[in-house]
Amino acid sequence: DGGITQSPKYLFRKEGQNVTLSCEQNLNHDAMYWYRQDPGQGLRLIYYSQIVNDFQKGDIAEGYSVSREKKESFPLTVTSAQKNPTAFYLCASSPSGSSYNSPLHFGNGTRLTVT
Amino acid sequence: AQTVTQSQPEMSVQEAETVTLSCTYDTSESNYYLFWYKQPPSRQMILVIRQEAYKQQNATENRFSVNFQKAAKSFSLKISDSQLGDTAMYFCAFMNLLNMLTFGGGTRLMVKP
Repeated sequence: DGGITQSPKYLFRKEGQNVTLSCEQNLNHDAMYWYRQDPGQGLRLIYYSQIVNDFQKGDIAEGYSVSREKKESFPLTVTSAQKNPTAFYLCASSPSGSSYNSPLHFGNGTRLTVT
Repeated sequence: AQTVTQSQPEMSVQEAETVTLSCTYDTSESNYYLFWYKQPPSRQMILVIRQEAYKQQNATENRFSVNFQKAAKSFSLKISDSQLGDTAMYFCAFMNLLNMLTFGGGTRLMVKP
């Protein structure tokens, strides 16, 4: 079955360390997204990529970096510059063009805890 | 930039009754899409219902329906015959033609037996 895989489900890191969250999709979608969710809040866009080797900053990109070397993969690195990295991170993908008929598909998320 | 506002942080409803969740948004665009997503305790995001802005007819999906008021920039979700499995966070979302999705802050819905 096609879908989006985020790993690991839970991730623990020490403050000051960079950490990379994995996101892989086999839906053949062109666009991929990273969202951050804090407790009791909505999702905020970190980075998005509409095509391989290209990506743009979202609303809260500071302290994060991404790469899109392959269509299937869109890893997110949380750097030590991110002031409050503890959060739930969701990856999503969609086909190119209008996504009304094929809206965003979400992964199951990664819960990152930094102490 | 678009903004999406959900003014009800928490709501509760008795099983089998009807509940309406509010959502307003702000945009200068004329065509766009609106969605309601459900996030149960598993935290998986599940699409509930969607609406194209140029369609005046309100979308309906089984027990879920919307009241879309374009001039008022309002997009409320009505859940009829509420079930225990409807307990979740509900997010209203706005999507522009570049596929950029902006979420509201969410409404936590509790269905009581």
